[in-house]
Amino acid sequence: DVKVTQSSRYLVKRTGEKVFLECVQDMDHENMFWYRQDPGLGLRLIYFSYDVKMKEKGDIPEGYSVSREKKERFSLILESASTNQTSMYLCASSRTNRGDQPQHFGDGTRLSIL
Amino acid sequence: GQNIDQPTEMTATEGAIVQINCTYQTSGFNGLFWYQQHAGEAPTFLSYNVLDGLEEKGRFSSFLSRSKGYSYLLLKELQMKDSASYLCAVRDQFTNAGKSTFGDGTTLTVKP
Repeated sequence: DVKVTQSSRYLVKRTGEKVFLECVQDMDHENMFWYRQDPGLGLRLIYFSYDVKMKEKGDIPEGYSVSREKKERFSLILESASTNQTSMYLCASSRTNRGDQPQHFGDGTRLSIL
Repeated sequence: GQNIDQPTEMTATEGAIVQINCTYQTSGFNGLFWYQQHAGEAPTFLSYNVLDGLEEKGRFSSFLSRSKGYSYLLLKELQMKDSASYLCAVRDQFTNAGKSTFGDGTTLTVKP
């Protein structure tokens, strides 16, 4: 089974802090994704990556950056956390761009910015 | 871009059948996924359709009509554990990385 592991289930940080969310997958997937999930707004894509050191903006990249130095690890960075970034963050991975490959999700990090 | 619509909430009775609809308007299409997400948990993959027609997997089936921009997920013999959110996601034809756009999800409540 594919395992996508997010470093924290719950995280509390303060406004202005630099926050790192880590995600590791163990199935040698090429593609990795970061989403945030908010009530009534569904899953929104922040950034994704299709290879090491490659990254592309999703629908809501403002205030975020990412890093993919190794194939198995994809980090989301909040450069200067703000209260409107309080949310559930979900990481996902998938195999190459064959159409039938689903995304596999981690358990999520519930981030609170005070 | 993609626009995906699903009902926000549905309620059904244990043992019954429920159909969750999804309509989409897209600039390109390369498949439609259904995911299940229990409260507080990660979404998990249920089904994939890329050609028109019905795909059956046990109690769950998924249907696609590309010309109508329409899909549904059919759940038979409902069980209490089927209470969850169901997410429809459309894969963009012109994307690297299998990027998909997700609908807001349909919260299904199964009652005894």
